[in-house]
Amino acid sequence: GAVVSQHPSWVICKSGTSVKIECRSLDFQATTMFWYRQFPKQSLMLMATSNEGSKATYEQGVEKDKFLINHASLTLSTLTVTSAHPEDSSFYICSARYRFQETQYFGPGTRLLVL
Amino acid sequence: AQKITQTQPGMFVQEKEAVTLDCTYDTSDQSYGLFWYKQPSSGEMIFLIYQGSYDEQNATEGRYSLNFQKARKSANLVISASQLGDSAMYFCAMREENSGYSTLTFGKGTMLLVSP
Repeated sequence: GAVVSQHPSWVICKSGTSVKIECRSLDFQATTMFWYRQFPKQSLMLMATSNEGSKATYEQGVEKDKFLINHASLTLSTLTVTSAHPEDSSFYICSARYRFQETQYFGPGTRLLVL
Repeated sequence: AQKITQTQPGMFVQEKEAVTLDCTYDTSDQSYGLFWYKQPSSGEMIFLIYQGSYDEQNATEGRYSLNFQKARKSANLVISASQLGDSAMYFCAMREENSGYSTLTFGKGTMLLVSP
């Protein structure tokens, strides 16, 4: 299957700081990337969908000014959690899909802990 | 309304036995896709199997098969010859079309524990 990487895998930060998470498709061109959040013992919740070169589409209840998404190239999308607070602590996981594929391939995830 | 329902929070199975993980879905779309993903404790989501709504044959991938019953709107995952490494969370997901793009909606998951 296709390979998707995420960096960093772990991040601990102080409340009020901003954190950037990168998602890269390593062996295919991802026309669409997705960002999910997963709280402990819960399912994945879609936060936003981003298509290369256009603005991200956010799900209801997700603040676009707080979770900035940039999909500047066909292999890279970034999620920036601005002014992070302890309630933003979660597991953030991205996925990528090529235009003509059905399957989303997931990155390994990033665990964010905001103190 | 919940669109993917996984009624089994947890399942136990002995090594080498087969196990079925249940998934039912709700959609009014004619064209949709159903997926199963495995999430071990490390957190990564591993794609296992895909079934398209128009596929007449049940999907199979090695030890994984999908029992697709369209009239019942069920897409159960069957794992044959369970292995210790199969212990993980398993999520059923459905592709939905939403304003010109497709997204995945996940069920709550089933924790599978395989014992020796």
